[in-house]
Amino acid sequence: GDSVTQMEGPVTLSEEAFLTINCTYTATGYPSLFWYVQYPGEGLQLLLKATKADDKGSNKGFEATYRKETTSFHLEKGSVQVSDSAVYFCALSNTGNQFYFGTGTSLTVIP
Amino acid sequence: DGGITQSPKYLFRKEGQNVTLSCEQNLNHDAMYWYRQDPGQGLRLIYYSQIVNDFQKGDIAEGYSVSREKKESFPLTVTSAQKNPTAFYLCASSIIRALNTEAFFGQGTRLTVV
Repeated sequence: GDSVTQMEGPVTLSEEAFLTINCTYTATGYPSLFWYVQYPGEGLQLLLKATKADDKGSNKGFEATYRKETTSFHLEKGSVQVSDSAVYFCALSNTGNQFYFGTGTSLTVIP
Repeated sequence: DGGITQSPKYLFRKEGQNVTLSCEQNLNHDAMYWYRQDPGQGLRLIYYSQIVNDFQKGDIAEGYSVSREKKESFPLTVTSAQKNPTAFYLCASSIIRALNTEAFFGQGTRLTVV
């Protein structure tokens, strides 16, 4: 079945460091891929998405490229800020009817 | 503003009681979902519904029940049969049969058994 595997955390970085959170997926066909962010005590917010191979999703300095050859959708940011501290979830949707989420990666950015 | 509203934000339940969590959306989405999130874990699907008066069990449906009498509403009842109900519950909705659409989430309800 469809599934998502993402890098386990927690991840702790200093402000202005480079961030990578790895995400790989298993799915038939051509799924849509998403990154969500969750701040403490809140729901999930869509951070970015990509709907076909080689698409790059970007938002708020975060980027991820849909790599079908490696079945990956790694999240990157060139310079993290304290306000980026949150839990990040990779997800996919294959038919538009169900979503599959990774286990989440907790990021803490220290000043 | 369009969105998903979950209420209450915090809920306390005595053992042996049923409780109902509310989820309302005004996005005109067909599909609605309930997820459970435990500390340090991902989201697990409880139930989902793609159309009024129809719903399907997810991975952890035991001890839960839902209804979908209106398109905009998808309440979740946590019954006394759920042995470990303390968790953070998230409701979501989406357009179905559209491959490039995302799920929209509510702010969550934190349920604690006391």
